[in-house]
Parts: sequence; structure tokens; C-alpha cells
Amino acid sequence: DAKTTQPPSMDCAEGRAANLPCNHSTISGNEYVYWYRQIHSQGPQYIIHGLKNNETNEMASLIITEDRKSSTLILPHATLRDTAVYYCIVRVAHGGGTSYGKLTFGQGTILTVHP
Amino acid sequence: DGGITQSPKYLFRKEGQNVTLSCEQNLNHDAMYWYRQDPGQGLRLIYYSQIVNDFQKGDIAEGYSVSREKKESFPLTVTSAQKNPTAFYLCASKPTSGDTGELFFGEGSRLTVL
Repeated sequence: DAKTTQPPSMDCAEGRAANLPCNHSTISGNEYVYWYRQIHSQGPQYIIHGLKNNETNEMASLIITEDRKSSTLILPHATLRDTAVYYCIVRVAHGGGTSYGKLTFGQGTILTVHP
Repeated sequence: DGGITQSPKYLFRKEGQNVTLSCEQNLNHDAMYWYRQDPGQGLRLIYYSQIVNDFQKGDIAEGYSVSREKKESFPLTVTSAQKNPTAFYLCASKPTSGDTGELFFGEGSRLTVL
């Protein structure tokens, strides 16, 4: 799986948009970009994923650059409950082989939403 | 409700003792995973299983063992050979048919070695 680079921490004011960047310059053509978040001492929670088109769901939007070497997770109206560690991961969604199923998490970005 | 249940939530162990962490899922998922998380760190893969009676080592399998006798269950044993077992352990699962790649996580088990 491709390596990702994220800033270690970011701050955001409540009610404003939080834009979390992720670099994945070695991403392969069949690798998807996934975002998870982890609130302290809980299991990670899936947010969104995409291949090359921008994606939106009830939680967030995912913007992937045209060359797919970077992406941005957007929380449009951040709340205090969005304070968490956000992980960007790239991996093959389908397929076989011994590496299938491995999902490698880096250290993520600690997002702090303040009043 | 469907989900993944890990137990116990907190566990204390004396040095030299083996301990087994339970992970049960009723999501009918084929694949299951164990991760370890240390303070301020990301998740590191210990073992994973894509089907019953089969499992693969992850990146940090030394000192751990698993079994997958039933689809619903993937217990992790932390053996006395694990040099630094104090950590937060997370179990996850996902389907193989209809797979979007999304992992479903349990709430974790925190192991402390005294």
C-alpha cells in the first residue's frame, strides 16, 4: 500500500470548514483513498473513500487532485465533536494476493475544534 | 444490532502471563483483523484472517497468536514472548463480497502489564 503524509495537527474554529490534507504521491492506479477518524480511546470510524472523482456523504467531502497524488477531506461545518485523529489511507479495495486486506494506518492528523 | 464486540475493555496482566483478547462479530464478515495502537501512534497490523481456518501475519506478529475456528470469532493471545504488550488493541472486520474496503472496528481492549 502507498505511504501517506499528513500534518501532525490542525486547529479549526467551531462552525467553520475543516480542510485536512493528505499527500500520497506513490499511489497506484487501482488504489483508493480512505479516510477514518478516531476519537480518543475508541475504535476508528470510517468517513469516506474515493478513487479519482470527488465524493460527498453526510459526514464529509473528499477532493482528490487530478493526478491523484494528494487529497483533502473537508468537514463543512466543524463541531466540537469532530475533535479526533483523522487518518488518510490508500489501498486496493478489491483483489487477492497475500497483501489483500492489509490496511496500514499512519499517525494521522490531530484535529482540534475549538469554540 | 450488528457490530463487533471486544472484551474485556480493560485488562491487567502480570509479566510472564499469557492473555487472550476476545473479538466477536455478527456482521457475517469474512475478513477480520487485529491492530495494536501505542500512545500517539497510528495502528499497526498484528494478524489478519480472510477466511475461517486461515490467517496471515501482519507487520508486528511476534509474541502474538490467533485462531479462526469460527467465522464470527478471531481471538488474539498476547504471549509472554511479547516484550512490550501494554497497548490498546483493536479488532476490525470487513466483508469480501460487496466489499468497498471499509473496515468496521470494535471499541478496543486496553491491556496493561503490571
